[in-house]
Amino acid sequence: KAGVTQTPRYLIKTRGQQVTLSCSPISGHRSVSWYQQTPGQGLQFLFEYFSETQRNKGNFPGRFSGRQFSNSRSEMNVSTLELGDSALYLCASSIRSYNEQFFGPGTRLTVL
Amino acid sequence: AQSVTQLDSQVPVFEEAPVELRCNYSSSVSVYLFWYVQYPNQGLQLLLKYLSGSTLVKGINGFEAEFNKSQTSFHLRKPSVHISDTAEYFCAVSGVNAGNMLTFGGGTRLMVKP
Repeated sequence: KAGVTQTPRYLIKTRGQQVTLSCSPISGHRSVSWYQQTPGQGLQFLFEYFSETQRNKGNFPGRFSGRQFSNSRSEMNVSTLELGDSALYLCASSIRSYNEQFFGPGTRLTVL
Repeated sequence: AQSVTQLDSQVPVFEEAPVELRCNYSSSVSVYLFWYVQYPNQGLQLLLKYLSGSTLVKGINGFEAEFNKSQTSFHLRKPSVHISDTAEYFCAVSGVNAGNMLTFGGGTRLMVKP
């Protein structure tokens, strides 16, 4: 069974631009969560989607948004990029909430 | 809300020696507890989890952890480490009603030396 895939793996943007990251969960998994990993703040929860509905949201500004499609694939969008948005963005999927999460390799975003 | 403290940012240890990585948490509600490992340039892999039942949890790669509710701790142990265990280890918690929202500790870098 294929694992969680994230595209692209690496991305370079400039301040003020917007970016969309994609996550394809493991087949049959309906929950997708997003995390931001930075050296300064560590791993922080962004949001969780289950069956196309946002279930939980972390403490991030409204520039960070996401969505989930009917095939459980998820995208997250960051608008008006800031230098501090440079991070590794990890996606995790699970069959349902309160179940083991499987993480993808991440998308490394660099904002110049 | 929950918080997690990993007491050691780095733990150097010689190969075949035992190791303990410490994790303490704070929460106003009951929690589930997890340990994840991250190898360089990779995502996170679940080592073990505590949901309920026996407080001693066994995971993959010979790791185990013990949930101590009175001390709000969930320390990770391995009796004999290998070079291949060199990685970053993260302790995480989620509230029992918080879905898949994990709160992570700052991580402990385990460095196994030959």
